[in-house]
Amino acid sequence: SQQGEEDPQALSIQEGENATMNCSYKTSINNLQWYRQNSGRGLVHLILIRSNEREKHSGRLRVTLDTSKKSSSLLITASRAADTASYFCATDKVPGGTSYGKLTFGQGTILTVHP
Amino acid sequence: GAVVSQHPSWVICKSGTSVKIECRSLDFQATTMFWYRQFPKQSLMLMATSNEGSKATYEQGVEKDKFLINHASLTLSTLTVTSAHPEDSSFYICSARLGQPQHFGDGTRLSIL
Repeated sequence: SQQGEEDPQALSIQEGENATMNCSYKTSINNLQWYRQNSGRGLVHLILIRSNEREKHSGRLRVTLDTSKKSSSLLITASRAADTASYFCATDKVPGGTSYGKLTFGQGTILTVHP
Repeated sequence: GAVVSQHPSWVICKSGTSVKIECRSLDFQATTMFWYRQFPKQSLMLMATSNEGSKATYEQGVEKDKFLINHASLTLSTLTVTSAHPEDSSFYICSARLGQPQHFGDGTRLSIL
């Protein structure tokens, strides 16, 4: 079963606006990752944030992690039409467990950026 | 960057046919590969973990006799959907690990008539 819950399920914005997507999870993690998926394609890794990190930036992407609330957010600033895609968070469990190394994906957010 | 190639990208076949999907890590060796299934507008569901030189580990509810996995080399894992039926129609995606993060193939869309 999928551990992560993401909201919103769908987000529609205009080019230039910021897009924020949230992800919640239930168990302790080693790291949390965000992926992007264009329609009918595979996943592209965007950013990884470790459990001891609180914030990470990569270009127009900003990811936060709050382990006390078991939640993360992905912010895309100055969005472009090319950012239109589905975005998934995925958690990697702590080492030592049988699930270590296996990613558990959230339900995803479908982002549409209108030109 | 690390590249994972998945083939074929699209398959249409008759019910009862067995279909093989290949997942290759092109520029790195992957001792572990993963197979996922994705239904339209849904998330990825892990089916199994493919380990080079040993048996695959299947997730609960996934029939190992239905979805045969072979990981014969450090760069190739195959998923064979045996005696496929329309309910097996789905998008299948593989990934390979080289430390972190996982690198994904472009997926295979399987349509069973």
